[in-house]
Amino acid sequence: GENVEQHPSTLSVQEGDSAVIKCTYSDSASNYFPWYKQELGKRPQLIIDIRSNVGEKKDQRIAVTLNKTAKHFSLHITETQPEDSAVYFCAARDSGNTPLVFGKGTRLSVIA
Amino acid sequence: GAVVSQHPSRVICKSGTSVKIECRSLDFQATTMFWYRQFPKQSLMLMATSNEGSKATYEQGVEKDKFLINHASLTLSTLTVTSAHPEDSSFYICSAREAGGGEQYFGPGTRLTVT
Repeated sequence: GENVEQHPSTLSVQEGDSAVIKCTYSDSASNYFPWYKQELGKRPQLIIDIRSNVGEKKDQRIAVTLNKTAKHFSLHITETQPEDSAVYFCAARDSGNTPLVFGKGTRLSVIA
Repeated sequence: GAVVSQHPSRVICKSGTSVKIECRSLDFQATTMFWYRQFPKQSLMLMATSNEGSKATYEQGVEKDKFLINHASLTLSTLTVTSAHPEDSSFYICSAREAGGGEQYFGPGTRLTVT
């Protein structure tokens, strides 16, 4: 089955700097890669996703890149703000009726 | 967007008792529902996948007789933790998906504490 690795586990950045979180996946059949933001005690919130027919997707300060050959994808947050502080999870899934498989998460702290 | 609700949001029970958690898709028909468990400072770990009208498929290491899953309708799935023990204390999150695949929508989670 799919295995998703995520790095780093913790990340501290100064407000205004960029943050990058990286994930790798094992199943070449996976073609859907969402990123979730989870605040303490709350449900994961989808912030951006990318499908395998696209190499990059951007939504304001958030962007995701995908390298299918290398089987890795990354989340980029620019101009970070304190409210970006949370745990971020990457996930992967194929097109079938399979569930999302999550990475272990990255705790991002944005220091004002 | 699609809405998934969970009830209760928090529950405290005594060791040895059973607890039922409900997951509902409010504005769409969820042919597939997933149950995840999240321990403090850890990731979401899939427990089981349930398709409406079928038996749930459990992940390796998850006891099907302890975590009973029922998906009797296209809008409701339930997870019953039987004979709960303190080590079952966790954050349980359901997720629902429409027919044909697509995004998984998450419920708000249920924090279970077993004393």
